[in-house]
Amino acid sequence: SAVISQKPSRDICQRGTSLTIQCQVDSQVTMMFWYRQQPGQSLTLIATANQGSEATYESGFVIDKFPISRPNLTFSTLTVSNMSPEDSSIYLCSVAGTGRWETQYFGPGTRLLVL
Amino acid sequence: DAKTTQPNSMESNEEEPVHLPCNHSTISGTDYIHWYRQLPSQGPEYVIHGLTSNVNNRMASLAIAEDRKSSTLILHRATLRDAAVYYCILRRSGNTGKLIFGQGTTLQVKP
Repeated sequence: SAVISQKPSRDICQRGTSLTIQCQVDSQVTMMFWYRQQPGQSLTLIATANQGSEATYESGFVIDKFPISRPNLTFSTLTVSNMSPEDSSIYLCSVAGTGRWETQYFGPGTRLLVL
Repeated sequence: DAKTTQPNSMESNEEEPVHLPCNHSTISGTDYIHWYRQLPSQGPEYVIHGLTSNVNNRMASLAIAEDRKSSTLILHRATLRDAAVYYCILRRSGNTGKLIFGQGTTLQVKP
């Protein structure tokens, strides 16, 4: 299993500003992912955070808006840039091995409200 | 990615069994069937997964149809703490490892 922590747990931000969310795992993991969960909705995958290379973004998400870093196998950051009220969501970090049989573990999420 | 279809919501009485269905008619031979659940105000948590055979663990059982086009998550005795959104997800082979979530089934457990 993997224990994941996220910082901050919640924040209220002004539009036009940026927020960086940190994800820390208690063990080295191969795959790290960032998800967004808008109010009352399911989870949407933003990107796969690749260690030592650029993140792989899903359709509808771009690096300029959601820059991601992954400097090592236990840590990643997601920045929500130039925020608008539509960015108000829960942002979740998750980790997994590469096998399709492997379990994925999720962090507690960061609740973001943009005013 | 292959899609899954689940009922939007289901209700159960406490201490009764619950059968949560999932259809995945376009499943490929190498897709694993995963179930996750999301309790209120928490991140999703793993419940169970399988490939072809039925699976049991301490949380639940997974019954997989012979043609693999559907599966059922079985909670043997629902408790109030099982009230959550349950997601049925097909995980592809390869090194992407990502999970694509559908809308899931919101399970309400009545005392």
